[in-house]
Amino acid sequence: GESVGLHLPTLSVQEGDNSIINCAYSNSASDYFIWYKQESGKGPQFIIDIRSNMDKRQGQRVTVLLNKTVKHLSLQIAATQPGDSAVYFCAETLNSGYSTLTFGKGTMLLVSP
Amino acid sequence: ETGVTQTPRHLVMGMTNKKSLKCEQHLGHNAMYWYKQSAKKPLELMFVYSLEERVENNSVPSRFSPECPNSSHLFLHLHTLQPEDSALYLCASSQDRQEFSYEQYFGPGTRLTVT
Repeated sequence: GESVGLHLPTLSVQEGDNSIINCAYSNSASDYFIWYKQESGKGPQFIIDIRSNMDKRQGQRVTVLLNKTVKHLSLQIAATQPGDSAVYFCAETLNSGYSTLTFGKGTMLLVSP
Repeated sequence: ETGVTQTPRHLVMGMTNKKSLKCEQHLGHNAMYWYKQSAKKPLELMFVYSLEERVENNSVPSRFSPECPNSSHLFLHLHTLQPEDSALYLCASSQDRQEFSYEQYFGPGTRLTVT
């Protein structure tokens, strides 16, 4: 498969645990944030997004929290499964219209059965 | 799977070769992007096309030349590349509207190796 990073922070969890992946973003003016998941050999896949007028958004098994005061974003995955093993990226943008996303370095999530 | 396809999936080329990467999106989107993903760096935006017009060129060397003939197709023409250009090249598309940004859908990428 493709290698997406050799020196990524890694989070190792057991199947069934809840996972929390954190991201510090850089631009206080950013108004839209996305979490992507990238599995080996694939491009990034959209997981969930949040706009700056919200501080929490929930999806299926995932929750994103936004703290604009400290420019911090987190992704919570409930009941983590082996299929969740991947690299997770946060991205931010402040443009309207076409979006120029700025990506973080990523965190590798390893889920053991 | 995502509606964005890229060919070839793998490419090995010498520094004097000329090759092209192709991206096609089947989502009816109006914006397309090229990114470079290296092993030790975050995803780097290279080019953005909105409504078939190039709107961003992030200081990319001229040995990379994009082309967007219509809203569904995007090419990246490569010539006289350097070994440090070896990376995963990702294409993405989005449906952008005037007031809000929206998520981008990525293709699987082309793994490029320059020898």
